Amino acid sequence: DGGITQSPKYLFRKEGQNVTLSCEQNLNHDAMYWYRQDPGQGLRLIYYSQIVNDFQKGDIAEGYSVSREKKESFPLTVTSAQKNPTAFYLCASSPSGGALETQYFGPGTRLLVL
Amino acid sequence: GEDVEQSLFLSVREGDSSVINCTYTDSSSTYLYWYKQEPGAGLQLLTYIFSNMDMKQDQRLTVLLNKKDKHLSLRIADTQTGDSAIYFCAERYGGATNKLIFGTGTLLAVQP
Repeated sequence: DGGITQSPKYLFRKEGQNVTLSCEQNLNHDAMYWYRQDPGQGLRLIYYSQIVNDFQKGDIAEGYSVSREKKESFPLTVTSAQKNPTAFYLCASSPSGGALETQYFGPGTRLLVL
Repeated sequence: GEDVEQSLFLSVREGDSSVINCTYTDSSSTYLYWYKQEPGAGLQLLTYIFSNMDMKQDQRLTVLLNKKDKHLSLRIADTQTGDSAIYFCAERYGGATNKLIFGTGTLLAVQP
């Protein structure tokens, strides 16, 4: 089955700790994206990557970091610098990040800071 | 800046039609999308429309686009309880990258 997987489904973090969210896809897509969703709000773009070893900041990149060492993987690290990290995090991918493509989403990871 | 707005909540009875509305601001948008999100899940692409179209029909779904007013709507015919979810419209931000701007989402509640 082709698709996007995110793990874990739920993640708890103590204040001041970094935590890494996993996103893997076997769709052979070049482009991958991370979004954050807060209650009553739309999705906001954190980071995106159009190709391996390259990534760009989205609208709310502060307090987050990413890496793209492999085509199929785009992990997101929520650092202690992120002041309000509790949210639902969604990963997406598209074939090449081009203008006419549809983004396909994973099931999401819910992060709760204790 | 870009902004996409939706009403927060819609309640309909099973079998009725649902119409979910969306307004956007970026006139250079090329594609507009409707996504469905069930509780605790990721987003599922329902349908999309290219900006040079006025209407697109896909089984029970009808998308209407009024480009002059920057208004997009999603009509679901014969709404079922399984259609209960949050519906997001999204516009593709003009430019070279595939950046989507999402609305705030409309919660559709279908009463049996």
